[in-house]
Amino acid sequence: NAGVTQTPKFQVLKTGQSMTLQCAQDMNHEYMSWYRQDPGMGLRLIHYSVGAGITDQGEVPNGYNVSRSTTEDFPLRLLSAAPSQTSVYFCASSYKDRVSEQYFGPGTRLTVT
Amino acid sequence: GENVEQHPSTLSVQEGDSAVIKCTYSDSASNYFPWYKQELGKGPQLIIDIRSNVGEKKDQRIAVTLNKTAKHFSLHITETQPEDSAVYFCAARLSSGSARQLTFGSGTQLTVLP
Repeated sequence: NAGVTQTPKFQVLKTGQSMTLQCAQDMNHEYMSWYRQDPGMGLRLIHYSVGAGITDQGEVPNGYNVSRSTTEDFPLRLLSAAPSQTSVYFCASSYKDRVSEQYFGPGTRLTVT
Repeated sequence: GENVEQHPSTLSVQEGDSAVIKCTYSDSASNYFPWYKQELGKGPQLIIDIRSNVGEKKDQRIAVTLNKTAKHFSLHITETQPEDSAVYFCAARLSSGSARQLTFGSGTQLTVLP
C-alpha cells in the first residue's frame, strides 16, 4: 500500500496561473478531503468528498475546485492563483464511518508570487 | 461553529521529562477529540483520541484527559524522547461526525532536548 500520495511536493506559481494538485489513495477509502495549513492556524478544510461523484465545501472553499470521478483520485484545482493561497496543502482519506481517523498525505508546499 | 484553542504554541522539555499540551473547545455538542502528530515534512498522523463518555485514555507513554464540564482536554507525554519532537494538533468533532465538523487547534511545536 502506498497510502495517500500527493504530487507535486513543491510548486511555485505566478498570480493568475492555474494548476491542479493531485491526490490518490489505494486503501479503497470512501472519504477524501483537502486541507490547507498556515502558520498559527492549524488545518482548515477546503473541500471533501464522501464518494465518487459527490463533493462538498469545507471551511475555506473559495478559489478552489474539486471533482471525484473515481474512488482513488481527488484532485484540487486552483483556478486563478493568488498570493493568499500560498500554503501547505494536505490531502487525507478515511473510511466514511471513521472520518476522524484520516490518513494524511505528505503535503504540497505551494508558493504564489 | 466550533472554536478550538491550543496552548502553548511552543514547548521545550528535557529528555525524560513530561510534556502537557492543552486545548479548549467552545461547542458542548463536540463529542470526539483526536490528537495528531506531525513530523517535519510529513502529514499529520493520528496518535490518540478520546470520546466524550470517557475521562482518560492511555497508550503507553501517551495519555489524553477530558473535562467536559470545563470543555478542555489535554495530551500528556511522559518520559519524553527526542523522537517525540514534532508539531502536535488537537481537534474536536461535533456529534454529526463528518469532517466538516472536525475543527483543529493551531498546533504546538514540541522540542525534546537531549
